[in-house]
Amino acid sequence: EVQLVESGGGLVKPGGSLRLSCAASGFGFTNAWMSWARRAPGKGLEWVGRINRGIDGATTVYHTPVKGRFSISRDDSKNTLYLEMNSLRTEDTAVYYCTTYSGEPYYYMAVWGEGTTVTVSS
Amino acid sequence: DIQMTQSPSSLSASLGDRVTITCRASQSISRSLNWYQQKPGKAPNLLIYGASNLHSGVPSRFSGSGSGTDFTLTIRSLQPEDLATYYCQQYYGDTLTFGGGTNLEIK
Repeated sequence: EVQLVESGGGLVKPGGSLRLSCAASGFGFTNAWMSWARRAPGKGLEWVGRINRGIDGATTVYHTPVKGRFSISRDDSKNTLYLEMNSLRTEDTAVYYCTTYSGEPYYYMAVWGEGTTVTVSS
Repeated sequence: DIQMTQSPSSLSASLGDRVTITCRASQSISRSLNWYQQKPGKAPNLLIYGASNLHSGVPSRFSGSGSGTDFTLTIRSLQPEDLATYYCQQYYGDTLTFGGGTNLEIK
């Protein structure tokens, strides 16, 4: 069964940092593009960013609101995706989802984890 | 970033109704559009990719159409399990953006 399980969420003060993890199983993680998305309370979905395969250089792309503050990485030996979040703001409060990312030609997110909640508050 | 505008933002319909949700892009995106369904308390599910391709396992009552700036998601005969929020997502640019969502309620 294809599964993504996020962890690492919690309460953090504005300006603080947090690292989320996503454990993948049931599919070829090494050959998969991956991404993160989020949903803030009372708001809609927002794409955070993506990382392509290690053999493609593990290149990353980020949505404008998180550029320079968030970093996506992967450890293919552990089948794990990471989201490093720095300089957190109250508006980063959201449920964060790890997703598969199809890449060309349709760039869709077919498999989603159940999410982990990040709360940024003093 | 390309902006996506969905309408309506909320919708109430009866079982068996035909439901239409629209999504408009701030610039032409060809057919670079996907649709998702998010049920309360659950993760989103992919419904449609490439504007009109039904994702594996998605009931055939769901369909998508459109190109350029205007797109439509149609539910042919509304079922109780279709209670959810629906999102469009463009992938024309290097960054992805979602529409604001359409909250579908059952009358």
